[in-house]
Amino acid sequence: DQQVKQNSPSLSVQEGRISILNCDYTNSMFDYFLWYKKYPAEGPTFLISISSIKDKNEDGRFTVFLNKSAKHLSLHIVPSQPGDSAVYFCAASAISSGSARQLTFGSGTQLTVLP
Amino acid sequence: KAGVTQTPRYLIKTRGQQVTLSCSPISGHRSVSWYQQTPGQGLQFLFEYFSETQRNKGNFPGRFSGRQFSNSRSEMNVSTLELGDSALYLCASSLARGRGDEQYFGPGTRLTVT
Repeated sequence: DQQVKQNSPSLSVQEGRISILNCDYTNSMFDYFLWYKKYPAEGPTFLISISSIKDKNEDGRFTVFLNKSAKHLSLHIVPSQPGDSAVYFCAASAISSGSARQLTFGSGTQLTVLP
Repeated sequence: KAGVTQTPRYLIKTRGQQVTLSCSPISGHRSVSWYQQTPGQGLQFLFEYFSETQRNKGNFPGRFSGRQFSNSRSEMNVSTLELGDSALYLCASSLARGRGDEQYFGPGTRLTVT
């Protein structure tokens, strides 16, 4: 049972345009959401996060939107650059037993920004 | 500050063998988590260690085990390897301050089981 779903395995966007990556979740206990970027042969790199008490968080070209009622979040990249081409993972977190946090990841979306 | 390091970077093993992977977290980070990444499956949580204690465990068989040392370095062991264990194994460390602290990943160990 996938608790975090990224239904688009790939996305292609022209340089300079907006990239929108989507993520859906099913577990209502999730209260913190993160996006990671991964290049080949490297580990995932933290990009941006959002707490469930907010509906938007912005950091430079990256904005994450959270719609709790729809259990949906999205990552907007504006403007998109060729260097943004990577696999993007959505992750969600909840306090589990013993105050430990465990990240649950989606399966990733390969973003390709075309020059 | 040095990042998370993992050794070895690549491993080839035969079915039935066992393997030990190592992870050195960022200095000052007390939490180490392990993930398995396979094509199309994303990252699947294996376990988390904090102050030498396993705090959290994912849904993996008992063949997967780990430990953490007093210097926060962690090892992961897989016994009786199966072909399906071929994957990228990622280690991540964090300050583990509680709500919302980000995890920082190492480059991973690519394990191939033949």
